[in-house]
Amino acid sequence: GAGVSQSPSNKVTEKGKDVELRCDPISGHTALYWYRQSLGQGLEFLIYFQGNSAPDKSGLPSDRFSAERTGGSVSTLTIQRTQQEDSAVYLCASSLTYQRGAYNEQFFGPGTRLTVL
Amino acid sequence: AQTVTQSQPEMSVQEAETVTLSCTYDTSESDYYLFWYKQPPSRQMILVIRQEAYKQQNATENRFSVNFQKAAKSFSLKISDSQLGDAAMYFCAYRAATNKLIFGTGTLLAVQP
Repeated sequence: GAGVSQSPSNKVTEKGKDVELRCDPISGHTALYWYRQSLGQGLEFLIYFQGNSAPDKSGLPSDRFSAERTGGSVSTLTIQRTQQEDSAVYLCASSLTYQRGAYNEQFFGPGTRLTVL
Repeated sequence: AQTVTQSQPEMSVQEAETVTLSCTYDTSESDYYLFWYKQPPSRQMILVIRQEAYKQQNATENRFSVNFQKAAKSFSLKISDSQLGDAAMYFCAYRAATNKLIFGTGTLLAVQP
């Protein structure tokens, strides 16, 4: 079956512009995660969705970053007024519903490489 | 807060030989999961192996095995009979509450023919 897909694969934007990154999780996966991979900060968690709600937004680096999920499926990560330090690969992952003490594998998408000029 | 440390930025191994990648972590929890992920140049994160902290037995997946030392908070990955396709960045990860993953900084593994 289809895995996690992300679009666009690459995005080049100018400083100050807004960008939207899209994630399509595996069908039936209610949990969705965004991560950021950058040279300076490594691989870091941004936000977690369970259904359409986000019980953990602790990794969002500033109020320029926001994310939403609609219909319990597609998620969009929006970065407003992009800065050069936002340049990174943004990875999305999905899994079955999280249950404490149980294991549900996270499946990752191929990522979106964002370059802010 | 939980942390994950990988102290080897780069490693190299000859084809068919064995290599061990190191990882240490810090947590106050008693029950948790640890993982090793592989990231080839395609950027696709691939789960290599996982370990449940309550299990004393070390996990094994074909040529990949771990040495899990709970008291020492150490979780190393051993790759036996290394193959050219094993060349990639390897990340150690800890599963925190809400299933979010906390990653180490990665080890870039080169496999020499």
